[in-house]
Amino acid sequence: NAGVTQTPKFQVLKTGQSMTLQCAQDMNHEYMSWYRQDPGMGLRLIHYSVGAGITDQGEVPNGYNVSRSTTEDFPLRLLSAAPSQTSVYFCASSITNTDTQYFGPGTRLTVL
Amino acid sequence: GEDVEQSLFLSVREGDSSVINCTYTDSSSTYLYWYKQEPGAGLQLLTYIFSNMDMKQDQRLTVLLNKKDKHLSLRIADTQTGDSAIYFCAEKTGGYNKLIFGAGTRLAVHP
Repeated sequence: NAGVTQTPKFQVLKTGQSMTLQCAQDMNHEYMSWYRQDPGMGLRLIHYSVGAGITDQGEVPNGYNVSRSTTEDFPLRLLSAAPSQTSVYFCASSITNTDTQYFGPGTRLTVL
Repeated sequence: GEDVEQSLFLSVREGDSSVINCTYTDSSSTYLYWYKQEPGAGLQLLTYIFSNMDMKQDQRLTVLLNKKDKHLSLRIADTQTGDSAIYFCAEKTGGYNKLIFGAGTRLAVHP
């Protein structure tokens, strides 16, 4: 198993640009989530999904959209990037919504 | 509200024990986790403890949970330079799989 994979590893955007951060897992996990990590802070939950076709908001959802059309993939979309979205983004998955979460390697995003 | 706090920095000598402390506020937490993050890498699950346990040992790692004081600690025995990393404490709370993270403790191991 490759585990949780994320692409790209690094990305630089200009303010107002849009992009999609990809996340995939090959462990048949039902639960997937997106976090952002900012300096001096713990990870904060952006959106999560308990299964294909089901998504919900976390602590800091504004400026981000998600969809879950398959069990394997959980992309995170920035519709109009802002400098405040400069961060490291982590995707995580678990077997169900009560099990231990496993994290991907992260995407470092800079918005100029 | 939900909050997890950790000291930000710990420096230890190689071979000594390290103790990283964490406090949390949500008494309904079911699981508490320790994750390790090496520079430029993602989070690696180190260990976790169920809220009805007091202690869990896994090789060099010992987790102590004081539920009354809402205090969690991670002890690393015989600390090595490879243990240098940021350690995150996290609590699972809520009906879904929501993790609340502390800001992380940077462990520096010196000769």
